[in-house]
Amino acid sequence: QSVLTQPPSASGTPGQRVTISCSGSSSNIGSNYVYWYQQLPGTAPKLLIYRNNQRPSGVPDRFSGSKSGTSASLAISGLRSEDEADYYCAAWDDSLSVVVFGGGTKLTVL
Amino acid sequence: QVQLQESGPGLVKPSQTLSLTCTVSGGSISSGSYYWSWIRQPAGKGLEWIGRIYTSGSTNYNPSLKSRVTISVDTSKNQFSLKLSSVTAADTAVYYCARGQYSSSSGVYYYYGMDVWGQGTTVTVSS
Repeated sequence: QSVLTQPPSASGTPGQRVTISCSGSSSNIGSNYVYWYQQLPGTAPKLLIYRNNQRPSGVPDRFSGSKSGTSASLAISGLRSEDEADYYCAAWDDSLSVVVFGGGTKLTVL
Repeated sequence: QVQLQESGPGLVKPSQTLSLTCTVSGGSISSGSYYWSWIRQPAGKGLEWIGRIYTSGSTNYNPSLKSRVTISVDTSKNQFSLKLSSVTAADTAVYYCARGQYSSSSGVYYYYGMDVWGQGTTVTVSS
């Protein structure tokens, strides 16, 4: 059972916009930044979003992050086949003194 | 461009100590405001943060593993290491090392995520 809750799966067709949610609590998302990682099949995770809504250099602006209260979301617009991957949210938890991850969402591009 | 590479035994016996090293290339482990982390992922499951070390030597560990984990840094070799003692089958996973960025002001730390990852190394705990 992960501290941050994500839907196990999501799907969309090419060109569509999809969102992935991440629900936490006041000790993690509610009081700290949220990060999103993309893990393509068989590869290491890649930083996609940091500090709630900032994109590292090289990440397309099709990816965007937002946070409200104790929840966060990752939105992917103009969905492409290469976006098919597992997506993880993460945040520091003040109560546990640990970086906590969501359980991951497997995105399928239909 | 900084790259990370994990190395170490792929098979460890139960009750023994798992030891992994992450070699940093393309940059100095001591330069800049970075911390160095270990994360693991059991097959088909999610990510679990193990801990991190700053080049000052300061560490943070996952409380669920704290009694068994040691992360250290060797700046002369541009490496940092993970030791996990008393392993069981539950410690079988892909282990990743990663670099994180931070800044600090007046004792407050600001984090920018883990932006460089190693390719991961599979460790199996079995007799």
